[in-house]
Amino acid sequence: ETGVTQSPTHLIKTRGQQVTLRCSSQSGHNTVSWYQQALGQGPQFIFQYYREEENGRGNFPPRFSGLQFPNYSSELNVNALELDDSALYLCASSLDTDLGGLFFGEGSRLTVL
Amino acid sequence: SQQGEEDPQALSIQEGENATMNCSYKTSINNLQWYRQNSGRGLVHLILIRSNEREKHSGRLRVTLDTSKKSSSLLITASRAADTASYFCATGPQAGTALIFGKGTTLSVSS
Repeated sequence: ETGVTQSPTHLIKTRGQQVTLRCSSQSGHNTVSWYQQALGQGPQFIFQYYREEENGRGNFPPRFSGLQFPNYSSELNVNALELDDSALYLCASSLDTDLGGLFFGEGSRLTVL
Repeated sequence: SQQGEEDPQALSIQEGENATMNCSYKTSINNLQWYRQNSGRGLVHLILIRSNEREKHSGRLRVTLDTSKKSSSLLITASRAADTASYFCATGPQAGTALIFGKGTTLSVSS
């Protein structure tokens, strides 16, 4: 049984650029949630995808977008990067939309200069 | 926005001692969960307690929930150096798809 894997683990971008982060969910899981964790803070919910459809969204602007593929892997895209987008981006998978315990990946640490 | 507030923000203890962390939240919940995070890496789910439960145990972990006070506590007994990490409470809403996390408690266990 494979766990949640994220790529890349670290990346550096400059303001205004675009970034794509990837996540492979745990085997058998059909729901992926993305969270942003700024330094010293708790994770903040960005959005959730269930069976390839967005199923809920947090308080993030439209330049944060996502996709879920038929194999339930997922992408997070951020356009027009801002300095405040620097954070650890965490992907979590679950079976259906049950919030009874999420399985998190190790995260992608994004630095925007 | 963050729903939960953990207290204390930081806690330093010796190996073998017990560690208690508290969490307060604001709105009605379906469940409350505790996660551990080592050095800015991924979060690991520790334990879940449902809104109709008052206490739950898992190994050296004991969680209590008081819905009338909108608070929870996590007790780690007989702490080990390997327990050094940040601990977050997260609330699962009665409706909705987002877990809402607090800011966390940083636990340091020295040998």
